[in-house]
Amino acid sequence: EDQVTQSPEALRLQEGESSSLNCSYTVSGLRGLFWYRQDPGKGPEFLFTLYSAGEEKEKERLKATLTKKESFLHITAPKPEDSATYLCAVSSGGSYIPTFGRGTSLIVHP
Amino acid sequence: DSGVTQTPKHLITATGQRVTLRCSPRSGDLSVYWYQQSLDQGLQFLIQYYNGEERAKGNILERFSAQQFPDLHSELNLSSLELGDSALYFCASSLGQGADEQYFGPGTRLTVT
Repeated sequence: EDQVTQSPEALRLQEGESSSLNCSYTVSGLRGLFWYRQDPGKGPEFLFTLYSAGEEKEKERLKATLTKKESFLHITAPKPEDSATYLCAVSSGGSYIPTFGRGTSLIVHP
Repeated sequence: DSGVTQTPKHLITATGQRVTLRCSPRSGDLSVYWYQQSLDQGLQFLIQYYNGEERAKGNILERFSAQQFPDLHSELNLSSLELGDSALYFCASSLGQGADEQYFGPGTRLTVT
């Protein structure tokens, strides 16, 4: 059974204070690792897909990286509008259906 | 805007009742997924349809059922509702059968009283 653990559960940053969110996973044959952003009361918004170790993707202040055991979402010089819950999900060879982590709640103070 | 629509946005009903949630996927997407999200459980996969056929089943209760119609919209039916069914229900769509990014709708907030 696929497992996804995200840490920390919650993170508070000052505007401009860079940091990283962690997603550790256990799967039998990774097909894809996904990052989503979710604002309160809204549906998750797709950010990135990573397929193999060493892969990196960037979008504005966000950069996602992938190793064989974990993924990091690096946030560079965050702004208050980056405040949201960030969800990580994995899809494996055993099932096409992604397994989601519980998320990291990020608050960026001005 | 993800392109996925869900109706209604909010639903308040009593225990024992039955409700239907509706979802229209993004144009061109063939897969529809249903998820339940509650504070204590996180995002839980319920069921997936691909081009009208059931493709995968998750932790979906027997009181819940779904279908995908020829125009690819989907409905999730929840019956004999219990207080514990109160949650956000999300529909997502994707182009293929799986292992690709999903686009989520705005959700339906169900409150069972």
